[in-house]
Amino acid sequence: AQKITQTQPGMFVQEKEAVTLDCTYDTSDQSYGLFWYKQPSSGEMIFLIYQGSYDEQNATEGRYSLNFQKARKSANLVISASQLGDSAMYFCAMSPDPGGTSYGKLTFGQGTILTVHP
Amino acid sequence: EPEVTQTPSHQVTQMGQEVILHCVPISNHLYFYWYRQILGQKVEFLVSFYNNEISEKSEIFDDQFSVERPDGSNFTLKIRSTKLEDSAMYFCASTRNTEAFFGQGTRLTVV
Repeated sequence: AQKITQTQPGMFVQEKEAVTLDCTYDTSDQSYGLFWYKQPSSGEMIFLIYQGSYDEQNATEGRYSLNFQKARKSANLVISASQLGDSAMYFCAMSPDPGGTSYGKLTFGQGTILTVHP
Repeated sequence: EPEVTQTPSHQVTQMGQEVILHCVPISNHLYFYWYRQILGQKVEFLVSFYNNEISEKSEIFDDQFSVERPDGSNFTLKIRSTKLEDSAMYFCASTRNTEAFFGQGTRLTVV
Protein backbone atom coordinates (compact mmCIF):
# COMPACT_ATOMS: atom_id res chain seq x y z
CA ALA A 1 0.00 0.00 0.00
CA GLN A 2 1.12 3.52 -0.68
CA LYS A 3 0.85 6.38 1.75
CA ILE A 4 1.41 10.13 1.41
CA THR A 5 1.87 12.43 4.39
CA GLN A 6 1.64 16.20 4.24
CA THR A 7 2.33 17.56 7.70
CA GLN A 8 1.61 21.24 7.04
CA PRO A 9 -2.13 21.95 7.14
CA GLY A 10 -1.46 25.58 6.25
CA MET A 11 1.45 27.69 5.06
CA PHE A 12 1.85 31.43 4.61
CA VAL A 13 4.29 33.18 2.32
CA GLN A 14 4.94 36.73 1.26
CA GLU A 15 4.45 37.57 -2.39
CA LYS A 16 7.66 37.13 -4.45
CA GLU A 17 9.24 34.86 -1.85
CA ALA A 18 9.89 31.13 -2.20
CA VAL A 19 8.00 28.51 -0.24
CA THR A 20 8.50 24.78 0.33
CA LEU A 21 5.58 22.43 0.83
CA ASP A 22 6.52 19.17 2.50
CA CYS A 23 5.58 15.70 1.36
CA THR A 24 6.79 12.32 2.58
CA TYR A 25 5.71 9.01 1.19
CA ASP A 26 5.81 5.35 1.98
CA THR A 27 5.73 2.48 -0.48
CA SER A 28 7.25 -0.92 -0.98
CA ASP A 29 7.27 -0.44 -4.75
CA GLN A 30 10.68 -0.13 -6.40
CA SER A 31 9.28 2.07 -9.14
CA TYR A 32 6.66 4.76 -8.63
CA GLY A 33 5.63 8.25 -9.64
CA LEU A 34 5.25 11.37 -7.52
CA PHE A 35 2.96 14.25 -8.42
CA TRP A 36 1.83 17.61 -7.17
CA TYR A 37 -1.59 19.04 -7.89
CA LYS A 38 -3.04 22.47 -7.13
CA GLN A 39 -6.67 22.93 -6.15
CA PRO A 40 -7.84 26.58 -6.18
CA SER A 41 -10.99 27.63 -4.37
CA SER A 42 -12.94 26.98 -7.57
CA GLY A 43 -12.32 23.27 -6.98
CA GLU A 44 -10.58 21.95 -10.07
CA MET A 45 -7.42 19.85 -9.81
CA ILE A 46 -4.49 21.24 -11.77
CA PHE A 47 -1.42 19.10 -12.48
CA LEU A 48 1.82 20.89 -11.58
CA ILE A 49 4.79 18.56 -11.70
CA TYR A 50 5.84 14.91 -11.93
CA GLN A 51 8.89 13.01 -10.68
CA GLY A 52 9.64 9.39 -11.52
CA SER A 53 11.37 7.37 -8.86
CA TYR A 54 14.23 6.54 -11.20
CA ASP A 55 14.74 10.10 -12.36
CA GLU A 56 18.07 11.27 -11.02
CA GLN A 57 17.44 14.94 -11.59
CA ASN A 58 14.82 16.90 -9.71
CA ALA A 59 11.86 17.84 -11.87
CA THR A 60 11.24 21.49 -12.70
CA GLU A 61 8.31 23.20 -14.38
CA GLY A 62 8.60 26.96 -14.54
CA ARG A 63 8.37 28.29 -10.97
CA TYR A 64 7.77 24.81 -9.58
CA SER A 65 10.48 22.37 -8.66
CA LEU A 66 10.32 19.08 -6.86
CA ASN A 67 13.01 18.40 -4.28
CA PHE A 68 13.20 14.62 -4.49
CA GLN A 69 15.18 12.84 -1.77
CA LYS A 70 14.66 9.15 -2.33
CA ALA A 71 16.52 7.91 0.74
CA ARG A 72 14.38 10.14 2.95
CA LYS A 73 11.24 9.31 0.95
CA SER A 74 10.43 12.96 0.54
CA ALA A 75 9.15 14.90 -2.47
CA ASN A 76 8.83 18.52 -1.43
CA LEU A 77 7.39 21.14 -3.76
CA VAL A 78 9.27 24.41 -4.05
CA ILE A 79 7.44 27.40 -5.47
CA SER A 80 9.73 30.27 -6.32
CA ALA A 81 8.65 33.91 -6.58
CA SER A 82 5.18 33.31 -5.11
CA GLN A 83 2.25 35.09 -6.68
CA LEU A 84 -1.15 35.93 -5.22
CA GLY A 85 -2.67 33.43 -7.65
CA ASP A 86 -0.67 30.66 -6.00
CA SER A 87 -3.02 30.75 -3.01
CA ALA A 88 -4.70 27.34 -3.11
CA MET A 89 -4.72 23.84 -1.68
CA TYR A 90 -1.76 21.75 -2.79
CA PHE A 91 -1.85 17.98 -2.90
CA CYS A 92 1.07 15.60 -3.11
CA ALA A 93 0.21 12.25 -4.70
CA MET A 94 1.86 9.07 -5.84
CA SER A 95 1.16 6.28 -8.27
CA PRO A 96 2.39 2.70 -8.41
CA ASP A 97 4.91 1.53 -10.96
CA PRO A 98 4.14 3.72 -13.96
CA GLY A 99 2.61 1.92 -16.86
CA GLY A 100 -0.85 1.20 -18.10
CA THR A 101 -3.55 2.35 -15.77
CA SER A 102 -1.10 2.97 -12.96
CA TYR A 103 -0.24 6.54 -13.85
CA GLY A 104 -3.68 7.72 -12.97
CA LYS A 105 -4.25 5.56 -9.89
CA LEU A 106 -3.16 8.13 -7.36
CA THR A 107 -2.90 8.11 -3.61
CA PHE A 108 -3.24 11.63 -2.27
CA GLY A 109 -2.05 13.35 0.87
CA GLN A 110 -4.29 15.53 3.03
CA GLY A 111 -3.15 18.68 1.33
CA THR A 112 -1.58 21.97 2.41
CA ILE A 113 -3.42 25.28 2.13
CA LEU A 114 -1.03 27.93 0.87
CA THR A 115 -1.85 31.58 1.43
CA VAL A 116 0.23 34.19 -0.35
CA HIS A 117 0.21 37.62 1.30
CA PRO A 118 0.76 40.82 -0.71
CA GLU B 1 -5.62 23.04 -24.86
CA PRO B 2 -7.56 19.77 -24.51
CA GLU B 3 -9.31 19.27 -21.21
CA VAL B 4 -11.49 16.83 -19.31
CA THR B 5 -15.08 18.06 -19.15
CA GLN B 6 -17.55 17.11 -16.44
CA THR B 7 -21.27 17.78 -16.27
CA PRO B 8 -23.17 18.89 -14.33
CA SER B 9 -21.01 21.09 -12.13
CA HIS B 10 -23.47 20.67 -9.28
CA GLN B 11 -26.13 18.03 -8.72
CA VAL B 12 -28.61 17.89 -5.88
CA THR B 13 -30.51 14.65 -5.41
CA GLN B 14 -32.77 13.03 -2.87
CA MET B 15 -31.52 10.10 -0.85
CA GLY B 16 -32.31 6.82 -2.58
CA GLN B 17 -32.34 8.33 -6.07
CA GLU B 18 -30.03 7.28 -8.88
CA VAL B 19 -27.56 9.79 -10.28
CA ILE B 20 -25.33 9.68 -13.32
CA LEU B 21 -22.28 11.89 -13.49
CA HIS B 22 -20.91 12.63 -16.92
CA CYS B 23 -17.36 13.05 -18.15
CA VAL B 24 -15.76 13.61 -21.52
CA PRO B 25 -12.08 12.63 -21.22
CA ILE B 26 -9.35 14.02 -23.43
CA SER B 27 -9.86 12.46 -26.84
CA ASN B 28 -6.61 10.52 -27.31
CA HIS B 29 -6.41 9.29 -23.73
CA LEU B 30 -6.73 5.61 -23.01
CA TYR B 31 -7.15 5.32 -19.26
CA PHE B 32 -9.99 6.79 -17.26
CA TYR B 33 -10.64 7.27 -13.58
CA TRP B 34 -13.14 8.48 -11.04
CA TYR B 35 -12.15 10.02 -7.73
CA ARG B 36 -14.14 11.57 -4.94
CA GLN B 37 -13.36 14.23 -2.37
CA ILE B 38 -15.60 14.55 0.65
CA LEU B 39 -15.62 18.17 1.83
CA GLY B 40 -12.44 19.02 3.71
CA GLN B 41 -10.89 15.62 3.14
CA LYS B 42 -8.36 14.18 0.76
CA VAL B 43 -9.03 12.97 -2.74
CA GLU B 44 -9.78 9.23 -2.90
CA PHE B 45 -9.47 6.83 -5.83
CA LEU B 46 -12.67 5.07 -6.81
CA VAL B 47 -12.09 3.19 -10.06
CA SER B 48 -9.90 2.92 -13.14
CA PHE B 49 -11.15 1.92 -16.58
CA TYR B 50 -9.33 0.74 -19.67
CA ASN B 51 -10.33 -1.02 -22.84
CA ASN B 52 -14.00 -0.91 -21.90
CA GLU B 53 -13.63 -2.61 -18.58
CA ILE B 54 -12.77 -1.83 -14.98
CA SER B 55 -9.06 -2.27 -14.30
CA GLU B 56 -9.12 -1.66 -10.60
CA LYS B 57 -11.52 -0.42 -7.97
CA SER B 58 -11.24 0.68 -4.37
CA GLU B 59 -13.27 -0.64 -1.46
CA ILE B 60 -15.38 2.51 -1.69
CA PHE B 61 -16.58 1.41 -5.13
CA ASP B 62 -19.23 -1.06 -4.00
CA ASP B 63 -22.23 -2.49 -5.83
CA GLN B 64 -23.99 0.88 -5.70
CA PHE B 65 -21.46 2.28 -8.15
CA SER B 66 -20.96 1.50 -11.81
CA VAL B 67 -19.06 3.02 -14.70
CA GLU B 68 -19.68 2.95 -18.37
CA ARG B 69 -18.23 4.25 -21.59
CA PRO B 70 -21.39 4.23 -23.68
CA ASP B 71 -19.78 5.70 -26.77
CA GLY B 72 -16.36 6.81 -27.94
CA SER B 73 -16.31 10.00 -25.92
CA ASN B 74 -18.35 9.79 -22.72
CA PHE B 75 -17.42 8.15 -19.45
CA THR B 76 -20.10 7.97 -16.78
CA LEU B 77 -20.32 7.18 -13.09
CA LYS B 78 -23.66 5.91 -11.83
CA ILE B 79 -24.67 5.74 -8.20
CA ARG B 80 -27.72 3.50 -7.99
CA SER B 81 -29.29 4.54 -4.71
CA THR B 82 -27.63 7.57 -3.20
CA LYS B 83 -26.92 7.91 0.50
CA LEU B 84 -26.20 11.05 2.49
CA GLU B 85 -22.54 10.01 2.77
CA ASP B 86 -22.21 10.02 -1.03
CA SER B 87 -22.23 13.82 -0.87
CA ALA B 88 -18.84 14.83 -2.23
CA MET B 89 -16.99 16.33 -5.16
CA TYR B 90 -16.51 13.70 -7.86
CA PHE B 91 -13.61 14.06 -10.23
CA CYS B 92 -13.10 12.35 -13.53
CA ALA B 93 -9.53 12.00 -14.79
CA SER B 94 -7.84 10.63 -17.87
CA THR B 95 -4.32 9.90 -18.99
CA ARG B 96 -2.52 8.57 -22.01
CA ASN B 97 0.78 7.55 -20.52
CA THR B 98 1.95 10.20 -18.08
CA GLU B 99 0.21 12.47 -15.66
CA ALA B 100 -3.53 12.33 -15.08
CA PHE B 101 -5.61 15.32 -16.09
CA PHE B 102 -8.64 16.06 -13.98
CA GLY B 103 -11.97 17.59 -14.82
CA GLN B 104 -13.46 20.49 -12.87
CA GLY B 105 -15.50 18.10 -10.76
CA THR B 106 -19.19 17.57 -10.04
CA ARG B 107 -20.36 18.54 -6.59
CA LEU B 108 -22.99 16.00 -5.57
CA THR B 109 -25.27 16.91 -2.68
CA VAL B 110 -27.59 14.22 -1.35
CA VAL B 111 -30.47 15.55 0.74
